[in-house]
Amino acid sequence: DAKTTQPPSMDCAEGRAANLPCNHSTISGNEYVYWYRQIHSQGPQYIIHGLKNNETNEMASLIITEDRKSSTLILPHATLRDTAVYYCIVRPYNFNKFYFGSGTKLNVKP
Amino acid sequence: DTAVSQTPKYLVTQMGNDKSIKCEQNLGHDTMYWYKQDSKKFLKIMFSYNNKELIINETVPNRFSPKSPDKAHLNLHINSLELGDSAVYFCASSPYQGTYGYTFGSGTRLTVV
Repeated sequence: DAKTTQPPSMDCAEGRAANLPCNHSTISGNEYVYWYRQIHSQGPQYIIHGLKNNETNEMASLIITEDRKSSTLILPHATLRDTAVYYCIVRPYNFNKFYFGSGTKLNVKP
Repeated sequence: DTAVSQTPKYLVTQMGNDKSIKCEQNLGHDTMYWYKQDSKKFLKIMFSYNNKELIINETVPNRFSPKSPDKAHLNLHINSLELGDSAVYFCASSPYQGTYGYTFGSGTRLTVV
């Protein structure tokens, strides 16, 4: 069962911020929000995860709404190398599987 | 040093053959996984091993047999290959407990002809 909803594709201009939305309206209290990306022909790459607080690392920022029903992954200055499929996944703590949906294809354009 | 390495990167074989894909991780993780990505690009978990013990088997045909000689290695053996087995197979690893993300390998593209 799909627990997240993402737009199938988005465009972003190089150097601008890319904001990728994800809806997870049925998220449970013990479920974390994870983001991965898959650049063409490569293995998925973990980006960031969070429970309810906003998170930031060297790759991206994750903004989770107060009701936790949606989140946004922010790439602050997108480059052409950020063109990839981005997956938003919700998963309970200590659950040993990630179920990948169809994700959002982000096209970063010059 | 590659964190999760898979060999071979490409594998072309005929129907009915038996083949193996190897995976090794040098991250000290306890848990390893096999995922399959089909032609429609959906990634599906197949197996998970924790410290050499099978903990997840996601309704995979028994022609697929994972083997973990130690916690740093997880190999995938496939018997009697079928056309529908053509896919990209990804190995991944993670610590067993906690909220950690997975580290994936670069994949093995299997083509059955």
